[in-house]
Amino acid sequence: EDQVTQSPEALRLQEGESSSLNCSYTVSGLRGLFWYRQDPGKGPEFLFTLYSAGEEKEKERLKATLTKKESFLHITAPKPEDSATYLCAVQAIQTGANNLFFGTGTRLTVIP
Amino acid sequence: DAGVTQSPTHLIKTRGQQVTLRCSPKSGHDTVSWYQQALGQGPQFIFQYYEEEERQRGNFPDRFSGHQFPNYSSELNVNALLLGDSALYLCASSLYGETAQPQHFGDGTRLSIL
Repeated sequence: EDQVTQSPEALRLQEGESSSLNCSYTVSGLRGLFWYRQDPGKGPEFLFTLYSAGEEKEKERLKATLTKKESFLHITAPKPEDSATYLCAVQAIQTGANNLFFGTGTRLTVIP
Repeated sequence: DAGVTQSPTHLIKTRGQQVTLRCSPKSGHDTVSWYQQALGQGPQFIFQYYEEEERQRGNFPDRFSGHQFPNYSSELNVNALLLGDSALYLCASSLYGETAQPQHFGDGTRLSIL
């Protein structure tokens, strides 16, 4: 059965204090791993897609990496506006096109 | 370029009633998926529509049904509402295909059951 576990559940950082969020996954065959950001009262906002182990993607202060068992979202020198819940989701080859299986998210708070 | 739009934004219903939620996909997208997000949880897949047919379904009862129209917009219907149906209902659109396509989400409909 597909499984996605995100840690930590919540993270508080001082502005400028870099850290990483973890997404561990179990899936028979990975079609893609997705990172989303969700602000309170809003829908998830797409950040990255990773397809194969060793792949990396960057956007501003965020960098996503992928291994065969887990993905990391590295946040460098975060700012208060990076505060949000970060969701990880996988799409498995067996479940067909476009079905996303989500973790429960990491709630990030960046303190000025 | 209009993103995914959902209506209404909020809805209050009582147990046993029926509700219809609506979604217009992002321009250029042909596939619509619906998700339920309980408070503090990640979104859970309900079903997906492509070419006006339900292509895939998650672990949700038959009380949840949907429809896709020729213009790719979609509706989610829930019958015989239960207290546990209170959640944020998210619509996501994408392009149908073999490779993993990112889904783009609307801001959801907040459904409260009294």
